[in-house]
Amino acid sequence: KAGVTQTPRYLIKTRGQQVTLSCSPISGHRSVSWYQQTPGQGLQFLFEYFSETQRNKGNFPGRFSGRQFSNSRSEMNVSTLELGDSALYLCASSPTGREQYFGPGTRLTVT
Amino acid sequence: ELKVEQNPLFLSMQEGKNYTIYCNYSTTSDRLYWYRQDPGKSLESLFVLLSNGAVKQEGRLMASLDTKARLSTLHITAAVHDLSATYFCAVDIPGTASKLTFGTGTRLQVTL
Repeated sequence: KAGVTQTPRYLIKTRGQQVTLSCSPISGHRSVSWYQQTPGQGLQFLFEYFSETQRNKGNFPGRFSGRQFSNSRSEMNVSTLELGDSALYLCASSPTGREQYFGPGTRLTVT
Repeated sequence: ELKVEQNPLFLSMQEGKNYTIYCNYSTTSDRLYWYRQDPGKSLESLFVLLSNGAVKQEGRLMASLDTKARLSTLHITAAVHDLSATYFCAVDIPGTASKLTFGTGTRLQVTL
């Protein structure tokens, strides 16, 4: 089976812009979760989607949003980018929401 | 709020030595995960520990779980340079299964 794929892999944006990241889960997996990894805050949960519904949400501002499509692919969007949003964004898929398989990540740099 | 603590944060060890990484968590959970991350890379799943007393081994790594003590250990036996990476433990709370809370990570450096 193909693994979790994320696009783009690297991205440079300017403060105030918005960005959309994409995640394609492992075939058959209905749960997609997003995490942010920074040197200062470590790995933090953003949100999880299961069958197109947001099932869990972390403690991030409303600038961070996501959605899931009927084919389980997911996107996350960050609006009004801040310097502190520079991070590695990891997507993980799971058949049920428990054991998660991580994608390669998208490295976002905000300048 | 679930808190997950790992120690040590950094570990430098010589090849051939043994050492243990500790992971403590603050809330009852029935599932604990260990991941490995190489610099600039994603997370690779190492172990999923499902119950009290669970022990799993893969090569030079062995993980165990004590749910009563809310403690998991990752033991490294006869370290080799290829084990150099950052190791994370993660816990989920029953009912919020998809929301993993990660420890701070332990950066392991195995020197020749």
